[in-house]
Amino acid sequence: SQQGEEDPQALSIQEGENATMNCSYKTSINNLQWYRQNSGRGLVHLILIRSNEREKHSGRLRVTLDTSKKSSSLLITASRAADTASYFCAGRIQGAQKLVFGQGTRLTINP
Amino acid sequence: NAGVTQTPKFRVLKTGQSMTLLCAQDMNHEYMYWYRQDPGMGLRLIHYSVGEGTTAKGEVPDGYNVSRLKKQNFLLGLESAAPSQTSVYFCASSYSIEPDTQYFGPGTRLTVL
Repeated sequence: SQQGEEDPQALSIQEGENATMNCSYKTSINNLQWYRQNSGRGLVHLILIRSNEREKHSGRLRVTLDTSKKSSSLLITASRAADTASYFCAGRIQGAQKLVFGQGTRLTINP
Repeated sequence: NAGVTQTPKFRVLKTGQSMTLLCAQDMNHEYMYWYRQDPGMGLRLIHYSVGEGTTAKGEVPDGYNVSRLKKQNFLLGLESAAPSQTSVYFCASSYSIEPDTQYFGPGTRLTVL
């Protein structure tokens, strides 16, 4: 079964606006990662946040992690057309040797 | 560096046929993974390897076999393809288990008729 659930499943905004995607998970994790997938391509790692961190920034990306609520959010500020892609969260379950991916949020940036 | 490469990019099989998907990485990563991606299902782990000569089952291993004879290569085999195995297959690798940032190949689109 999928560990991560993402919300919303699809998001469409205007260029320049901010985009927020959420991820919830079921069991304790060591870290949580976000990946981007452009249509027809492989996934690309964006950012990793550890279980003892609450917030992390990378360029226009801001990730938060709330371990008490078992949730994370990815904020993309000042969106661009090139940000159009699917975004996946992935959790490293404690004691497991694998990542478990959510179903993804499809983000469309309208010019 | 080429990163992670996959061969072939596309393939059409008939039910019952066999094939092998090849994954190669030039980053000297210890860990390698095979996933399948289906609409609305995200990525599901098929098999993985924690080093040369090792393999382990993931979430959906049935109908697949793997081998890691060389550190840089991870092969995924379908012995008798079924329509349910129609999917996009991704290979990934990572340097360590913590953190385990994974690097993905471009994918293989497989159709089983």
